[in-house]
Amino acid sequence: GAVVSQHPSRVICKSGTSVKIECRSLDFQATTMFWYRQFPKQSLMLMATSNEGSKATYEQGVEKDKFLINHASLTLSTLTVTSAHPEDSSFYICSARDDGGTGELFFGEGSRLTVL
Amino acid sequence: EDQVTQSPEALRLQEGESSSLNCSYTVSGLRGLFWYRQDPGKGPEFLFTLYSAGEEKEKERLKATLTKKESFLHITAPKPEDSATYLCAVHGSGNTGKLIFGQGTTLQVKP
Repeated sequence: GAVVSQHPSRVICKSGTSVKIECRSLDFQATTMFWYRQFPKQSLMLMATSNEGSKATYEQGVEKDKFLINHASLTLSTLTVTSAHPEDSSFYICSARDDGGTGELFFGEGSRLTVL
Repeated sequence: EDQVTQSPEALRLQEGESSSLNCSYTVSGLRGLFWYRQDPGKGPEFLFTLYSAGEEKEKERLKATLTKKESFLHITAPKPEDSATYLCAVHGSGNTGKLIFGQGTTLQVKP
């Protein structure tokens, strides 16, 4: 089946630094990818919709200057958490929609960010 | 506003004890209702998509059904390996493919 790869799976950084998380669709093209964050024992909350070749669409309350999204190609989207703070610690999950086939959504394994 | 509510929040079953998980939804123009399984520390794993009321889908011990207001995930004779959080999400006509997720039901099956 279709696979979405996220890297890194775990990252620990110091407060004030920036962290980049990659989301790759390995065997399909994805014009649209989605970034979610999930706090412990809570559900997934959509942060933004990433569109190849255009600006990302952010959900209400999500700071676009803090969470930079770049959809560089049809198989890669990146999320950069700038000037990270402890409250940004969370589980970040991406999903990619298969441009072909049924347009099914596939999720990455997630990236756990811990900001010290 | 699209909303998804799952119940119960947590469910403990003995191995072999069948039960159902509920997902109630409010959405403007349902384009799809999705069930995912999520293991701790991992991303959601796709189970089913349902598109219209009356539709049913099965996979091993799981069966998903859909009405105009809710969906059920029936688990028949569960095994310990079925223990996970089960997430329900809807895709409404008013958005561009993003899913609205419920809070999930955490299932624990004891041997």
